[in-house]
Amino acid sequence: GNSVTQMEGPVTLSEEAFLTINCTYTATGYPSLFWYVQYPGEGLQLLLKATKADDKGSNKGFEATYRKETTSFHLEKGSVQVSDSAVYFCALRDPSGTYKYIFGTGTRLKVLA
Amino acid sequence: SQTIHQWPATLVQPVGSPLSLECTVEGTSNPNLYWYRQAAGRGLQLLFYSVGIGQISSEVPQNLSASRPQDRQFILSSKKLLLSDSGFYLCAWGVKGHGEYEQYFGPGTRLTVT
Repeated sequence: GNSVTQMEGPVTLSEEAFLTINCTYTATGYPSLFWYVQYPGEGLQLLLKATKADDKGSNKGFEATYRKETTSFHLEKGSVQVSDSAVYFCALRDPSGTYKYIFGTGTRLKVLA
Repeated sequence: SQTIHQWPATLVQPVGSPLSLECTVEGTSNPNLYWYRQAAGRGLQLLFYSVGIGQISSEVPQNLSASRPQDRQFILSSKKLLLSDSGFYLCAWGVKGHGEYEQYFGPGTRLTVT
């Protein structure tokens, strides 16, 4: 079946450090891929998305590239800020037509000043 | 623009009591609707989803149920809560059709069963 695997957290970085959060997926077909962010006590917000191989999603300095050959969608940011502290979820939309979304377990990021 | 509402925002209920959480969506019609649970320190678990009025798909067998009495209303219920039902409940809606459509999440309801 379809699944999403994210790196274990928490990830603790100093301000202005480089961020990578790994995400790999298993799916039949070619799903759309998403990164969501959840700030404390809130719902999830879409951060970025990519719909086909080699697409790069970007938003607020975050980027992720849809890599079909490695079935990956790693999240990166060149210089993190304290305000980026949150939980990040990688997700895919089931391409088989069930309208289901599969989420990873989330990776907590803590950025220290 | 579309808006999704959930209430209540927080809830403390004793074990064995009933539950009703409500979710409504504005600004769109015939959406797909979803209920997720996020237990402390864990990821999102899809509980139910619905592609139309009265159509409910259950992902995980448990003592929860869902109903969709109106196009933009999705209700999560339980007759008797368990301690393990504690968590953060998120409602979401999504566009029909295949491809790149993302989900839009509500603010969530934090449920504590005591």
